[in-house]
Amino acid sequence: NAGVMQNPRHLVRRRGQEARLRCSPMKGHSHVYWYRQLPEEGLKFMVYLQKENIIDESGMPKERFSAEFPKEGPSILRIQQVVRGDSAAYFCASSPNLDTEAFFGQGTRLTVV
Amino acid sequence: KNEVEQSPQNLTAQEGEFITINCSYSVGISALHWLQQHPGGGIVSLFMLSSGKKKHGRLIATINIQEKHSSLHITASHPRDSAVYICAVSPYNTDKLIFGTGTRLQVFP
Repeated sequence: NAGVMQNPRHLVRRRGQEARLRCSPMKGHSHVYWYRQLPEEGLKFMVYLQKENIIDESGMPKERFSAEFPKEGPSILRIQQVVRGDSAAYFCASSPNLDTEAFFGQGTRLTVV
Repeated sequence: KNEVEQSPQNLTAQEGEFITINCSYSVGISALHWLQQHPGGGIVSLFMLSSGKKKHGRLIATINIQEKHSSLHITASHPRDSAVYICAVSPYNTDKLIFGTGTRLQVFP
């Protein structure tokens, strides 16, 4: 049972481009969480999804950011028209149920140039 | 004031020393997590606890729900323990984790 898989590990985008970050949860896990870690700051919650549903997106910026977790395939965090301030490490975590331990991926480090 | 506070922010130790990292929180929680992050690396979940004490190898985590405080102890520290240790809480009736800013530990041989 592979752990939470995120790809790419590193992503470089020019300002104005789109960034797509992928997260494959652990087998049997239907809950996915995205967190962002800005340079020299702590982790912050972005969004919580279950299969085909966004449960809580209270931590997502109102514009340019979206997330999905389709019935088939990985969860995708999409950032449109990236800006320098989007440069951060984006971590995905998955769990089998609410209120159980979440397992984290290796993160995607996004650099906007 | 952050809802999750960790101390110290930075910690340096000699190999073999006993290490304690503290976490205080101000919200009601269903669980508290201790996480480890190596530089440039992913995040590993060390413990999830809601009461008492848990032990895994040289790591021990304790929590006092009444005092809203948790500690992570490392016995016989080793240079490979060098990492950032992050405390996070699961508040009641929410689905998100709230994180402390982390404690950066360096263990020298």
